[in-house]
Amino acid sequence: DAKTTQPNSMESNEEEPVHLPCNHSTISGTDYIHWYRQLPSQGPEYVIHGLTSNVNNRMASLAIAEDRKSSTLILHRATLRDAAVYYCILRDRGSQGNLIFGKGTKLSVKP
Amino acid sequence: DTEVTQTPKHLVMGMTNKKSLKCEQHMGHRAMYWYKQKAKKPPELMFVYSYEKLSINESVPSRFSPECPNSSLLNLHLHALQPEDSALYLCASSQAGTGGSDEKLFFGSGTQLSVL
Repeated sequence: DAKTTQPNSMESNEEEPVHLPCNHSTISGTDYIHWYRQLPSQGPEYVIHGLTSNVNNRMASLAIAEDRKSSTLILHRATLRDAAVYYCILRDRGSQGNLIFGKGTKLSVKP
Repeated sequence: DTEVTQTPKHLVMGMTNKKSLKCEQHMGHRAMYWYKQKAKKPPELMFVYSYEKLSINESVPSRFSPECPNSSLLNLHLHALQPEDSALYLCASSQAGTGGSDEKLFFGSGTQLSVL
């Protein structure tokens, strides 16, 4: 699986937008970009995924660079409940469904 | 119901004990997974079951023995564990398990295991 690089930690203020970056310069044409997050004392939860086009859902937006070598998870208005570790993961179309986690970004949200 | 239920939530065991972790889902998912997560580290994949057959074993020591008795249940049998095996054990499931990278994984809250 191709590797991803994320900042170790980020801080945000409540009710402000948050942009979480992810670099994946070795991404292949068949890799989907997935984001999961893990709140304290819980298992990871799915946030969003995409292949080439930007994606929106009720939780977040995913902006994918034109060359696909980087992507950004956007939380439009951070809440205290969004404090978590956010993982950016590449999954090959041909994989057996394996989800291999990198180190992730720990997001802190200040009131 | 989009829940993956893991029991027990906490477990303390000695190195000579035999114990089992249980995971259950009723979403009709045909792939189930075990992950191990040490404190402040990302989850690490241990096993994958697809249609009740073991499809992935990430070189896990034999003191961990998975079992998938039916499509809704996944067990992890533990025997002769070491203190370094203390971790959060996470179960997950996904719909088809056929390799579709669109698949979302649904995780349980985990079992916090301490080996004394």
